[in-house]
Amino acid sequence: AQKVTQAQTEISVVEKEDVTLDCVYETRDTTYYLFWYKQPPSGELVFLIRRNSFDEQNEISGRYSWNFQKSTSSFNFTITASQVVDSAVYFCALSPYPKGAGSYQLTFGKGTKLSVIP
Amino acid sequence: ETGVTQTPRHLVMGMTNKKSLKCEQHLGHNAMYWYKQSAKKPLELMFVYSLEERVENNSVPSRFSPECPNSSHLFLHLHTLQPEDSALYLCASSQDGWDRGLAGRYEQYFGPGTRLTVT
Repeated sequence: AQKVTQAQTEISVVEKEDVTLDCVYETRDTTYYLFWYKQPPSGELVFLIRRNSFDEQNEISGRYSWNFQKSTSSFNFTITASQVVDSAVYFCALSPYPKGAGSYQLTFGKGTKLSVIP
Repeated sequence: ETGVTQTPRHLVMGMTNKKSLKCEQHLGHNAMYWYKQSAKKPLELMFVYSLEERVENNSVPSRFSPECPNSSHLFLHLHTLQPEDSALYLCASSQDGWDRGLAGRYEQYFGPGTRLTVT
């Protein structure tokens, strides 16, 4: 069974502060995919990143960066110099590597609500 | 239109009503999904269609009935719902290549959701 844990339910930061959202996962698969999604108040989930389990290289995209550590089963997300527009619920998700029909389970964490205060 | 669209955006229905949710994707994807998002619960995958064939049904009650007439459209037919079915229903699509031996699982793109209230 797969499981994704986002221990931080809500986080508040003041604008321009850095913030890290934690994600810990459990899986028996040796190959898998990890994702981060953003859900603003409008409700639509916005894809942010996909990471293969065999690629542990950290990634940076503008103010966003992701730290994938297979040894600790973590895939943390850092926002640098946060902005009010970053306020949203952020979801970490896990998917098995495709093996055939039925391997479509995308397991989500419960999400972390980030509030960036002006 | 671009991306994934869903209609209606809001729906209020009684327990004896029959209604349908519609999803349309304009991304050329071959797989579509229904998710349920309830307060304080993780997103729950309900149904998956790949190449218009249902490949996943996660023990969803029969009062929810999906339909996928083609790779661009997905419906969720609702009948005799319960108040606990009130939630945000999200549709998603992706390009899945496992059936053609392509490496990788492609990310899912979501619609804005239908906020359903059952009275």
